[in-house]
Amino acid sequence: EAQVTQNPRYLITVTGKKLTVTCSQNMNHEYMSWYRQDPGLGLRQIYYSMNVEVTDKGDVPEGYKVSRKEKRNFPLILESPSPNQTSLYFCASSLRREEVDTQYFGPGTRLTVL
Amino acid sequence: ILNVEQSPQSLHVQEGDSTNFTCSFPSSNFYALHWYRWETAKSPEALFVMTLNGDEKKKGRISATLNTKEGYSYLYIKGSQPEDSATYLCAFKGNYQLIWGAGTKLIIKP
Repeated sequence: EAQVTQNPRYLITVTGKKLTVTCSQNMNHEYMSWYRQDPGLGLRQIYYSMNVEVTDKGDVPEGYKVSRKEKRNFPLILESPSPNQTSLYFCASSLRREEVDTQYFGPGTRLTVL
Repeated sequence: ILNVEQSPQSLHVQEGDSTNFTCSFPSSNFYALHWYRWETAKSPEALFVMTLNGDEKKKGRISATLNTKEGYSYLYIKGSQPEDSATYLCAFKGNYQLIWGAGTKLIIKP
């Protein structure tokens, strides 16, 4: 089954404790992206990757890192989480960059930073 | 600052009634307009990608229209059913990244 998986689905952590949210897709998509979703706001892009070893900042990259060592995986790293990073995070992928390509979303990771 | 507005923010509709809501976006440098459906606790799923002014797309009871000159798209749902309850997101693609609206939350009352 074609899908995007994220882990963990829920995470409660404390300020400053490094964490990684994994994202994997099995559709051989080139383009992958991380978003955060906060109440009353549209999805905001954190980072994106157009292919292996090619990553770039989105609209709200501060406090986050990513890597794309393999085509299927695109982990999101919070080196020193802070309470303002409490949010719902989505990973998404598409065959190419997203101008007209449909994005496939993961199930979301709800992160709480205390 | 480029902005995508969706209205209304939320909508309660009686089962069986038809409804529609709006996505407003910049009318310049248009490339594509996406509609997604996002059920609570699930992943957003693509409904339509629209690229041409005057485009009209349909999937079952859901349809969408596009006016790129005035910068709006309507999503219509005919004969609403409980399974239509979801947040409907639109996203505008211009010269830069996709810009997402905050969504219209649709609640169908039985």
